[in-house]
Amino acid sequence: GAGVSQSPRYKVAKRGQDVALRCDPISGHVSLFWYQQALGQGPEFLTYFQNEAQLDKSGLPSDRFFAERPEGSVSTLKIQRTQQEDSAVYLCASSFTGWDTQYFGPGTRLTVL
Amino acid sequence: EDKVVQSPLSLVVHEGDTVTLNCSYEVTNFRSLLWYKQEKKAPTFLFMLTSSGIEKKSGRLSSILDKKELFSILNITATQTGDSAIYLCAVGGATNKLIFGTGTLLAVQP
Repeated sequence: GAGVSQSPRYKVAKRGQDVALRCDPISGHVSLFWYQQALGQGPEFLTYFQNEAQLDKSGLPSDRFFAERPEGSVSTLKIQRTQQEDSAVYLCASSFTGWDTQYFGPGTRLTVL
Repeated sequence: EDKVVQSPLSLVVHEGDTVTLNCSYEVTNFRSLLWYKQEKKAPTFLFMLTSSGIEKKSGRLSSILDKKELFSILNITATQTGDSAIYLCAVGGATNKLIFGTGTLLAVQP
């Protein structure tokens, strides 16, 4: 079946611009996660949804980062007033229950100039 | 603070060699340990381990968990150039989020 998909795959933004990154989880997966992966590092947790409820946003680095999943399926990660330190790969993962295996999408590589 | 440490950071081998990748962890209320393979795309799931001493195997790859000593190893036998990738270890603890190590970069030379 179809895996997790993300769009765009690449995004270049000028410092100060707003960006929106989309994630389509595996159909039927209740839980959705966002991670940030800097170059040469492992992914770091940003936020977690169960259905449409955002249950954990402890990893969001600042109030410029905002995530939503209004209908419990597709999710959008929005970054306002982007900064150079926001440059990274943003990975989305979904799982059936939240406590089992997380399956990852290909990521969006964000470059802020 | 929860942490996951992988070693070595990078490794170069020749086709046919056997490699062992290490992952140690300190995580509150350990629930599971997962291994992923990351090429220039999505991290792909390899194994999930929850019980000590039970080896999981898939083809040339195998993994085992030691919950007493807080570590796991990933073995790859008869390596092929297609095994070249970053191998990520992640641990699930008290919450649903995964805590990742920095990964081991494996390069298999022909």
